[in-house]
Amino acid sequence: ETGVTQSPTHLIKTRGQQVTLRCSSQSGHNTVSWYQQALGQGPQFIFQYYREEENGRGNFPPRFSGLQFPNYSSELNVNALELDDSALYLCASSLEVRVPSGYTFGSGTRLTVV
Amino acid sequence: AQSVTQPDIHITVSEGASLELRCNYSYGATPYLFWYVQSPGQGLQLLLKYFSGDTLVQGIKGFEAEFKRSQSSFNLRKPSVHWSDAAEYFCASVGSSASKIIFGSGTRLSIRP
Repeated sequence: ETGVTQSPTHLIKTRGQQVTLRCSSQSGHNTVSWYQQALGQGPQFIFQYYREEENGRGNFPPRFSGLQFPNYSSELNVNALELDDSALYLCASSLEVRVPSGYTFGSGTRLTVV
Repeated sequence: AQSVTQPDIHITVSEGASLELRCNYSYGATPYLFWYVQSPGQGLQLLLKYFSGDTLVQGIKGFEAEFKRSQSSFNLRKPSVHWSDAAEYFCASVGSSASKIIFGSGTRLSIRP
């Protein structure tokens, strides 16, 4: 059974650029959630995808967008990067959305915006 | 609004000593509660979870947590810590929409040799 895989592990971007982060869910999991973890803080919920549809969104601007594919892998896209977007981005997959049997987290993508 | 509070930012304990990390939640109904651990530069690993039933929950690595509804608490305990337990610990609950996890701000655990 594979876990959650995120790529890339580290990324440096310039303010104003766009970035795409990728996540492969744990085998059999159909729900993917994305979190932003700023330095020294707990993770903050960005959004969740369930069977390719967005199923809840946190307090993040529209320049944060996502996709979930038929194989349940997912992408997080951030447009017009700002310095405050520098953070660890975590992806978590779960078997179902309404009954949280457990969330499996990836190791994250460290994004630095300069 | 639903929230999770970890009142201790940083705790240092001696190796072999007992540990208790505090967590308080704010939610009307019985929440789903979790404890995660994060080593530097790493993702989150689930230590244990509480959904219902027995209020004392056993987890991995010798950790346990007790759900106390009257105190809105879900404290994490370990009888004897090891140097490898040094990490950041996050308490979390599932929100009313059941679609997002709400995390506390974390407690950093340091181990004194």
